[in-house]
Amino acid sequence: KQEVTQIPAALSVPEGENLVLNCSFTDSAIYNLQWFRQDPGKGLTSLLLIQSSQREQTSGRLNASLDKSSGRSTLYIAASQPGDSATYLCAVRDGGATNKLIFGTGTLLAVQP
Amino acid sequence: SQTIHQWPATLVQPVGSPLSLECTVEGTSNPNLYWYRQAAGRGLQLLFYSVGIGQISSEVPQNLSASRPQDRQFILSSKKLLLSDSGFYLCAWTRGGSQYFGPGTRLTVL
Repeated sequence: KQEVTQIPAALSVPEGENLVLNCSFTDSAIYNLQWFRQDPGKGLTSLLLIQSSQREQTSGRLNASLDKSSGRSTLYIAASQPGDSATYLCAVRDGGATNKLIFGTGTLLAVQP
Repeated sequence: SQTIHQWPATLVQPVGSPLSLECTVEGTSNPNLYWYRQAAGRGLQLLFYSVGIGQISSEVPQNLSASRPQDRQFILSSKKLLLSDSGFYLCAWTRGGSQYFGPGTRLTVL
């Protein structure tokens, strides 16, 4: 059974710092991995999608990497801003046709001005 | 463009009352649709998914049921709510391998 873990559970950094969020999964037979952002009381916003054949994806100040063999992904945020404060969730999609996602419990990020 | 709607946005219901949450998708056809629940202090849990009209798969045993009466409509229901049904309910659909989520419904059962 696939399990997804995110470390740390919470993180507080001063504005301007670069930071890394970690995601690990137990079964390397994934179809893809997706990073989401969730603001308090809101739905999820998709940030980056990495296919199982890819090593990384970039969008603006965000860079996500994937090492499928070791069951790890990282989300790198450069030059953090207070507006980056949110919960960040990673999710892996199993190899079936139903596109089911298995989520980690998230990292709560606070960027202090 | 594709859009996903959920209503109501918030709901407070007494224990034992019925429930109906609705999700609709615009701008696409025959999407895979999903219901997730996010309980306080816990991660997102997949409750149901549907690959077509009338086709529902349940992921976990629970007090809830789902139906898909139309291609772009997904409904989450209960006949009698429990306290443990409280949480944030999210509907999602897939496109290009990515999942996209609706704004969610906050359900509080008292």
